[in-house]
Amino acid sequence: AQTVTQSQPEMSVQEAETVTLSCTYDTSENNYYLFWYKQPPSRQMILVIRQEAYKQQNATENRFSVNFQKAAKSFSLKISDSQLGDTAMYFCAFGRSNSGYALNFGKGTSLLVTP
Amino acid sequence: ETGVTQSPTHLIKTRGQQVTLRCSSQSGHNTVSWYQQALGQGPQFIFQYYREEENGRGNFPPRFSGLQFPNYSSELNVNALELDDSALYLCASSFWQADNEQFFGPGTRLTVL
Repeated sequence: AQTVTQSQPEMSVQEAETVTLSCTYDTSENNYYLFWYKQPPSRQMILVIRQEAYKQQNATENRFSVNFQKAAKSFSLKISDSQLGDTAMYFCAFGRSNSGYALNFGKGTSLLVTP
Repeated sequence: ETGVTQSPTHLIKTRGQQVTLRCSSQSGHNTVSWYQQALGQGPQFIFQYYREEENGRGNFPPRFSGLQFPNYSSELNVNALELDDSALYLCASSFWQADNEQFFGPGTRLTVL
């Protein structure tokens, strides 16, 4: 079974600063996907960024980027130029390739962006 | 393009009752997954439906059951409700292919008294 660990229950960052959220996972598979999802308060979960395990290049989406270390099974999310709207729960998730199978989520990191 | 919708938004039931939650998948999607998110926790996979068949199940008892209809909408049924079933139930739709990208609905908040 795949497990996903987010070791930071809560984090805080000032507006315009950079913050990094940590995620580690455990799997015996070689082909998989990793995701960061954002869940704002009382709003639905949306995909922030996705990384295919077979790609060495780290994924980037505007202010969001990841540091994917496959050997270390680490998948951290960096948010640059933090904005107040980034305040949310952030979940790291693991998904198997070539299937529509389940996502395994971590427990989440609550990020607060302060003015 | 219509996103994933879920109904009802909130629901209050008593222990021992039965409940049905509904989900309409995003246009073009043929796969629906259901997740249970307890307060302060990450979502836990319940099961997934593809082409009206259950395709994978998490560690949930048989009193959690589901259906998928020809239009790819889905239902989650929970029998003999227990207090621990109180949670946010999320539906996610996707297209059966390699990328595993799932699009989530707003969820149904179930409270069991």
